[in-house]
Amino acid sequence: AQTVTQSQPEMSVQEAETVTLSCTYDTSESDYYLFWYKQPPSRQMILVIRQEAYKQQNATENRFSVNFQKAAKSFSLKISDSQLGDAAMYFCAYRSGSGAGSYQLTFGKGTKLSVIP
Amino acid sequence: NAGVTQTPKFQVLKTGQSMTLQCAQDMNHEYMSWYRQDPGMGLRLIHYSVGAGITDQGEVPNGYNVSRSTTEDFPLRLLSAAPSQTSVYFCASSSPGQLYGYTFGSGTRLTVV
Repeated sequence: AQTVTQSQPEMSVQEAETVTLSCTYDTSESDYYLFWYKQPPSRQMILVIRQEAYKQQNATENRFSVNFQKAAKSFSLKISDSQLGDAAMYFCAYRSGSGAGSYQLTFGKGTKLSVIP
Repeated sequence: NAGVTQTPKFQVLKTGQSMTLQCAQDMNHEYMSWYRQDPGMGLRLIHYSVGAGITDQGEVPNGYNVSRSTTEDFPLRLLSAAPSQTSVYFCASSSPGQLYGYTFGSGTRLTVV
C-alpha cells in the first residue's frame, strides 16, 4: 500500500516571503499522480496543483510550484510571495495510475501554514 | 454548476442513533468516495464507488454502509452512531481521467454524544 508523509505539522511564513512544504511518499508503482490540496478555515478542499509521475517537468500554477524528485519519492510545494489568504492546512495526496488505487486518494496528515503579516 | 453537494453541514447525534449523510454530484463523474477527517490523521477513505451498483470498502469502513443506485448520488449511512465516529466527513467525485484529482463537497461536521 502507498503511504504519504508530511513531516511538518506546522509552518509559518512572513507575508511576501517564500515557503516550502515537504511531502514524501512510498510506492512501488511507476504510474501515479500527485496532488496538493489546500483546506482553508472554511473547510473546503481546494486542488492547488497536480503532477503526473511520467512528466519530468515540475508543475507550476501562478505562485505555486512543485519540486518533484521521482527517484527520491519527494514532492514538495513552494509558495512564492506568500499572501494572507494562503494560510490554511495543506495536504499532499497520491493517486495510482491504474487498478484499485486509481479510484482513491491517499493523503498525508497535513501541514498547517500560518502567514504572518 | 453545483459540483458536489453534501447535506447536512452539521449534525449532532446521540450514541446508537442512525443517520444518512447525503452526497450528490452533477458532473457525471463515475467515481465517488467518502472520507473522514480527524485531527492529525489527514483524510481516510471510508467507502468508494466506481459506478452505479458498484461499491467497495476503503481504509476505515466499519460502522458505515453505502449504496450507489444512480451516478449522481452516493449516501453514507451510519448504522449505530458511536462517539468514535465524531469527525468531519467529505464526499468527493472524479472522472476516470487520472490527470484529475477529486472534487470535494463542503463537508459534514458530525458530533456523536
